[in-house]
Order: sequence, then structure tokens, then C-alpha cells
Amino acid sequence: EAQVTQNPRYLITVTGKKLTVTCSQNMNHEYMSWYRQDPGLGLRQIYYSMNVEVTDKGDVPEGYKVSRKEKRNFPLILESPSPNQTSLYFCASSSVGQGARDGYTFGSGTRLTVV
Amino acid sequence: GQSLEQPSEVTAVEGAIVQINCTYQTSGFYGLSWYQQHDGGAPTFLSYNALDGLEETGRFSSFLSRSDSYGYLLLQELQMKDSASYFCASSGNTPLVFGKGTRLSVIA
Repeated sequence: EAQVTQNPRYLITVTGKKLTVTCSQNMNHEYMSWYRQDPGLGLRQIYYSMNVEVTDKGDVPEGYKVSRKEKRNFPLILESPSPNQTSLYFCASSSVGQGARDGYTFGSGTRLTVV
Repeated sequence: GQSLEQPSEVTAVEGAIVQINCTYQTSGFYGLSWYQQHDGGAPTFLSYNALDGLEETGRFSSFLSRSDSYGYLLLQELQMKDSASYFCASSGNTPLVFGKGTRLSVIA
């Protein structure tokens, strides 16, 4: 089954404790992206990657890091989480050429709480 | 820059028709997409319009007017399960940018 897998689904952590949210896709997609979703603000892009070893900042990159060492994986790293990073996070992937036309495939989401 | 405007909430009666509008400002505009998201779920792709006109997929249709920077999603024969948030998203010189979403409530 074609899918984007995020882990964990739920995470509660303390301020300053480094964490990684994993994202993996099995569709051989070039494009991967991370979004955060907050009430009333919609989906805001954090970082995206057009292919292996190519990453770019989105609209809200502060406090986050990503890496794209393999095509299928795109982890999101919070080096020193703060309470304002409490949010619902989604990973998404698509093919580069037909991404918008065919639609992005989203993972199930990770609900992060930083206390 | 890029921005999209859509109503925050819409309420409609089961069996009726509802239209969710979206206006956009997008550099190098390619097309307009629509996504559905149920509470607690992930966004799922509904449609994409690159050319002016109406695209129909079952009960859902999507319209685009490039000259007016405007599009809409039309849902017919509303069902309770259509209660969800709907996002328009524009593609252009930068990756997909999403609107803030419209929460549709379908009432009996």
C-alpha cells in the first residue's frame, strides 16, 4: 500500500530535550515536506526537500532541522523543543513533476506536546 | 509572496449544495488544489485545476478562474460524512501553499 508513515503519533516531551519525528514514504517520491497545523492557522510549511541532499526552508523553519540522506526518509529534528512548538505535525510527499496534479500524500500526523 | 483566502466556517443542510470559495495571490501560479481533512485525520487530496473551468468528480466539483484569481469547491447532495475542513492550496514558483481552511458542518 502506498503510504507515508510518521512516528510517533503522539509525543509529550519536556522543554530542551532533543527529539526526532520520523517520516518515510514507499512511493519513490522526490518531493517531501513537513507542515505544522495549529487552530485557525491552517497548514504551514516548515521545510521541504526536492530530492536527496536538497532541502529548503518553508514559512516557519525556526527551531527545526531536517535531513534527506535517503529518498524515502525525511526526519524532522527539534534540537531544543519549546512550548510554542506544541502542534500537530504532518509529513507529505509527492512526485516532483506531477505533485500538485496528483496531490500530496500525507502521513497520519504527529501530535507533539512540549511542557 | 503567496496568500489564499477562504471562509473560516460554512454550515449547510444534508442533501443540499454548498460552495466554498477561495481567492489567491500566487507568484507564477500553476494551479489550485483542494484537500479534505476530517477531525483527527490527515488531509486528503480532492482535486486540482490548472485550466479555467469546472472539473467534476462525483459529488464534488472544483472551478477555477485564472483571470479572477478565484476558485471554488462545490459539494452536492451533502452527506453527514462531508462534515470536515476543506483547504484550497495554490502551486506556483514555490511549493504548495495552503489556505487556512473552511470548516464545513452538515446538519440534518
